[in-house]
Amino acid sequence: ETGVTQSPTHLIKTRGQQVTLRCSSQSGHNTVSWYQQALGQGPQFIFQYYREEENGRGNFPPRFSGLQFPNYSSELNVNALELDDSALYLCASSPQRTGSGTSSYNEQFFGPGTRLTVL
Amino acid sequence: AQSVTQPDIHITVSEGASLELRCNYSYGATPYLFWYVQSPGQGLQLLLKYFSGDTLVQGIKGFEAEFKRSQSSFNLRKPSVHWSDAAEYFCVIGGSSNTGKLIFGQGTTLQVKP
Repeated sequence: ETGVTQSPTHLIKTRGQQVTLRCSSQSGHNTVSWYQQALGQGPQFIFQYYREEENGRGNFPPRFSGLQFPNYSSELNVNALELDDSALYLCASSPQRTGSGTSSYNEQFFGPGTRLTVL
Repeated sequence: AQSVTQPDIHITVSEGASLELRCNYSYGATPYLFWYVQSPGQGLQLLLKYFSGDTLVQGIKGFEAEFKRSQSSFNLRKPSVHWSDAAEYFCVIGGSSNTGKLIFGQGTTLQVKP
């Protein structure tokens, strides 16, 4: 069984540019969440996608957007990059929609992340 | 506001010694509680989770954690630390019930002395 994969591993961009990060969910998982982890901090929730629709969003501006595809893979897009966007971006997949009931909160399986550096 | 506090940023223990990592949370009810571990260059791995029931939960790699409602705590313990346990440990709570959002503490870095 293949786990969660992310591409690219590392990325360097300059301020004002746009970036797209990709995530392939684990087989059988239909929910994908994205997190931003700044250096020395815990990951922060960006948003979650379930069946190709956004299902909850953290405190991130609209220039952070995403997509989920019919095969449940996902993209995170960031426009107008700022220096503070430099971070490790983590994708996590789960086997079903999490949080939809007390018995359905499932483990989120994390990928290795994409390290984004904005110069 | 929902939050997680890990009071210890760095902890150093000798190999074979016992370990306890502290975690306190703020939440309107009993949250879902997790401990994740992150090793350099690797993704986050779930060590254990608490949803309800027995307040002492067992996880992988010999770790356990105890939920104490009165103290809003979920401390992680291991009786004998191995050098391979050196990593970053995150206490995590399940946030809003409709989004599956996880709220992470800032992490505790564990260093193991030979």
